[in-house]
Amino acid sequence: DAGVTQSPTHLIKTRGQQVTLRCSPISGHKSVSWYQQVLGQGPQFIFQYYEKEERGRGNFPDRFSARQFPNYSSELNVNALLLGDSALYLCASSFKPTAETQYFGPGTRLLVL
Amino acid sequence: AQSVTQPDIHITVSEGASLELRCNYSYGATPYLFWYVQSPGQGLQLLLKYFSGDTLVQGIKGFEAEFKRSQSSFNLRKPSVHWSDAAEYFCAVGGTSYGKLTFGQGTILTVHP
Repeated sequence: DAGVTQSPTHLIKTRGQQVTLRCSPISGHKSVSWYQQVLGQGPQFIFQYYEKEERGRGNFPDRFSARQFPNYSSELNVNALLLGDSALYLCASSFKPTAETQYFGPGTRLLVL
Repeated sequence: AQSVTQPDIHITVSEGASLELRCNYSYGATPYLFWYVQSPGQGLQLLLKYFSGDTLVQGIKGFEAEFKRSQSSFNLRKPSVHWSDAAEYFCAVGGTSYGKLTFGQGTILTVHP
């Protein structure tokens, strides 16, 4: 079975622009979580969606939003990009909504200039 | 609030030597504990996890970890390190309410031949 997939793999944007990142979970997984990993740090939790509803949100500004589709894939949107948004964005999927085993995708590396 | 501390930012060992990576956590209830490994520019791969039961857990690639509730620790060990183990290692804690994982800042492992 395919693992978690994310697109695009790399992205370059300029300050003020908007970006959409995509994630497809492992088949059968209904929970998708998003994490931001700034260089030199551990991943930081942004959102969790389960059965198309938001289950949790980390300490990120409203410029960050997400949604989950009926096929359980997910999009993360970031508006009004700042230089500090440059990071690796990781998507993780799991079958249950709890913090059980989460499987991570390869990430999308975003560079904001 | 949940938190994870990995006291060692960078560890260097010789190939064939034993390894112990430290992890201390803070969580209000019985936690879910994880160790992930990340190669440069890649996503996170799960090494092992602890949910309940036996406090010594075995993982992939010959790694093991021991949960010590009295010390709030979940240290990762390997008896003999291989050059391919060079990577960054993250300890994470999660709970039963929703899927948020809180990560430590990571420990970079360098292996000398």
